Amino acid sequence: QVQLVQSGAEVKKSGASVKVSCKASGYTFTSYHITWVRQAPGQGLEWMGWVSTYNGNTNYAQKLQGRVTMTTDTSTSTAYLELRSLRSDDTAVYYCTRRYCSPGTCYYDYWGQGTLVTVSS
Amino acid sequence: DIVMTQTPLSSPVTLGQPASISCRSSQSLIHSDGNIHLSWFQQRPGQPPRLLIYRISKRFSGVPDRFSGSGAGTDFTLKISRVEAEDVGVYYCMQATQFPHTFGQGTKLEIK
Repeated sequence: QVQLVQSGAEVKKSGASVKVSCKASGYTFTSYHITWVRQAPGQGLEWMGWVSTYNGNTNYAQKLQGRVTMTTDTSTSTAYLELRSLRSDDTAVYYCTRRYCSPGTCYYDYWGQGTLVTVSS
Repeated sequence: DIVMTQTPLSSPVTLGQPASISCRSSQSLIHSDGNIHLSWFQQRPGQPPRLLIYRISKRFSGVPDRFSGSGAGTDFTLKISRVEAEDVGVYYCMQATQFPHTFGQGTKLEIK
């Protein structure tokens, strides 16, 4: 069965960096993009960007440009999200999700369990 | 960016009664492929989002048929025909027609 398993919770200081992993199993990793979505405490969902598991191409949300890097390691079927220069408003649960696409249809079908990143001053 | 606006933000419903959530996009969601990539997600407390509906009205695998989606242009609706206790949570619409993909603010469904 398809699973996305994320790394554990992190506590970081303002200005530091964090790297969250998302290990996929149960399907061919390179067939579907991975997207990252975050959710601040008590807030809604925010799309952060995606990474192609096929060729490493990325598309980031404008507000995160320059601070975010999404990568993959196809040898371990793992996607990574790195966020730098952390601020208090980066405190959130970070989710990876698979973007399933077939002709004329794309959707986010499977989600990781989430990784809480807490940024303290 | 396309803004997705949901109404209501909170919906108290009696068990067994229907519920309806609206979602309006700030611009057309017609993709270059001719389709509208509008999805609905349910998020139960402490859980990741769960896909319910994609491409306006297509129910995802395993989703009960009491959930249905409809709409066109810039106005979309998620309906629950008879609310059950397990339906409590927050519901989000999301457009995946144009980058960045964007979500509505969420609608909290609770039992009266």
